[in-house]
Amino acid sequence: QQPVQSPQAVILREGEDAVINCSSSKALYSVHWYRQKHGEAPVFLMILLKGGEQKGHDKISASFNEKKQQSSLYLTASQLSYSGTYFCAGNNNAGNMLTFGGGTRLMVKP
Amino acid sequence: DTAVSQTPKYLVTQMGNDKSIKCEQNLGHDTMYWYKQDSKKFLKIMFSYNNKELIINETVPNRFSPKSPDKAHLNLHINSLELGDSAVYFCASSRTSGTGELFFGEGSRLTVL
Repeated sequence: QQPVQSPQAVILREGEDAVINCSSSKALYSVHWYRQKHGEAPVFLMILLKGGEQKGHDKISASFNEKKQQSSLYLTASQLSYSGTYFCAGNNNAGNMLTFGGGTRLMVKP
Repeated sequence: DTAVSQTPKYLVTQMGNDKSIKCEQNLGHDTMYWYKQDSKKFLKIMFSYNNKELIINETVPNRFSPKSPDKAHLNLHINSLELGDSAVYFCASSRTSGTGELFFGEGSRLTVL
């Protein structure tokens, strides 16, 4: 069963912050975050492997709460280049294939 | 040099035909995948291939078959194409299965008429 993402879409003004949530009904071993721009392939942002782990990537960071089977992606001081569809993906075992969430469409306006 | 490359990028064909999409990676990765992205942008895993071990998503019709001549190539063959097969097919690879970062190809847009 695929992870559930919320919100499905969000519109921001440049400089505003956003949070995208990802939750799973099954235990998660790892959570990945990807961004896909229109007409392009998904691009890797980060992997979170441990419960309670947080990672940062410029002004984009994420947290992973293993006990709650949830992950959140934080985008601060958004830029126009942040626009795209964000996907979380998870697996419940180290060797298992990743299952992607339904995606969150983010649009940043000037 | 493109890390993961797919051909063709666009494919338009009639229902009932058989078609193949080729994928090559030059990253030295052990695992390759095929994903299907439909018109609603859902990315669905179809296959994973690691050291000659094929893992199939049980929801994939057996008209779809992956073929891997070597570790750097994973081709997708589709028999008896149906309208619902229209989608963008992404090939991807990772250093390890499951936890490695996925590197995606540019995608192959298949349109079945």
